Amino acid sequence: QVQLVQSGAEVKRPGASVKVSCKTSGYTFTIYDINWVRQATGQGLEWMGWMNPNRGNTGYAQKFQGRVTMTRDTSISTAYMELSSLTSEDSAVYYCAIGRSGYYYFDYWGQGTQVTVSS
Amino acid sequence: DIQMTQSPSSLSASVGDRVTITCRTSQGISNYLAWYQQKPGKGPKLLISSASALQSGVPSRFSGSGSGTDFTLTISSLQPEDVATYYCQKYNSDPWTFGQGTKVEIK
Repeated sequence: QVQLVQSGAEVKRPGASVKVSCKTSGYTFTIYDINWVRQATGQGLEWMGWMNPNRGNTGYAQKFQGRVTMTRDTSISTAYMELSSLTSEDSAVYYCAIGRSGYYYFDYWGQGTQVTVSS
Repeated sequence: DIQMTQSPSSLSASVGDRVTITCRTSQGISNYLAWYQQKPGKGPKLLISSASALQSGVPSRFSGSGSGTDFTLTISSLQPEDVATYYCQKYNSDPWTFGQGTKVEIK
């Protein structure tokens, strides 16, 4: 069965970077784009960007342009999201997600990774 | 960018009540709209795609309708396990924006 398993919680200082991983299984990794969505505590869902695991090309929401990098390691079916220049406003749960239809709605989600930015 | 407006932001209803949540977009998106359910402490779960296509395993009391700019998620008979926050999401074009969410509680 399809599974997306994310790395564990992180605590970072302001100005630092964080890299979250999303290990996939149960399907061919290169077929479906990996998307990243975040959710601050008590807030709504915010789409951050997508990555095509086959070619490695990406598309980022304008808000995160220049600060987010999405990559992958096809040998271990794992996607990564790195966010730099962290501030307290980046404290959130980060999710990876895929949509198997070819459209950008998401039918499988990772369990989420809590990132806390605090001095 | 297309703006999404979900209403109400929260509601409280009795078990067995019919519940309706609305999602409006600032421009037409045809039927490229999905609905998600997020229970407390959990990740989102896809309920409906293409505005009205119920995902496999989702109870039939959930239904979606609409096209263009106005969409509706309906729970025909609210159950205790439906306590959650519900989000709409457009996917006609980048960015794939979510609505602000509607928190559903039991009265």
